[in-house]
Amino acid sequence: DIQMTQSPSSLSASVGDRVTITCRASQSISTYLNWYQQKPGKAPKVLIYAASILQSGVPSRFSGSGSGTDFTLTISSLQPEDFATYYCQQSSSTPRTFGQGTKLEIK
Amino acid sequence: QVQLQQWGAGLLKPSETLSLTCAVSGGSFSGYYWNWIRQSPGKGLEWIGEINHSGSTNYHPSLKSRVTISVDMSKNQFSLKLSSVTAADMAVYYCARGYSWYVDWGQGTLVTVSS
Repeated sequence: DIQMTQSPSSLSASVGDRVTITCRASQSISTYLNWYQQKPGKAPKVLIYAASILQSGVPSRFSGSGSGTDFTLTISSLQPEDFATYYCQQSSSTPRTFGQGTKLEIK
Repeated sequence: QVQLQQWGAGLLKPSETLSLTCAVSGGSFSGYYWNWIRQSPGKGLEWIGEINHSGSTNYHPSLKSRVTISVDMSKNQFSLKLSSVTAADMAVYYCARGYSWYVDWGQGTLVTVSS
């Protein structure tokens, strides 16, 4: 299985901050990397797919980059609704695997 | 917009079989992959397996011996069965649509295993 490791596990930030979350794959996955946002009691919501393509309806302050083994999710200017947990997921091979999550909290 | 509505027993005893069903509405059932994913505090998000409209399946190797995912095209539904459950299978179970990434999700079902 491909292991996905996110950093940091948690992050405190303020409204308006620029935030970057990192995801590393245990082997090269090209750009087969997706990002999700999850709020308590809700299913995950896809933000970015194929490493850098913004899902329809997702605000442009979210962006993704990377290829191979190292990827980043950036939120350019944090909004109150962005405080949530973020997950990466690889779709290079099965079994599909997720990172352990990054909890973004209000400072 | 595609909606996924799932249901099934939420309380099981050890060794019983977990059974969940997901109904798809508002969109095409054909041409997509349909998945089961679970989430527990200990293991995080874990992909269980997938099925397409023609019944072709793919399962997580660690669960393969206990999992069956099936599809009922006439009802636009797909189902999950997980046999011989233990406390390690306690989680919120989600159905989801997608092959590489998952756009549409069910509401989630909390499954508890307790004697």
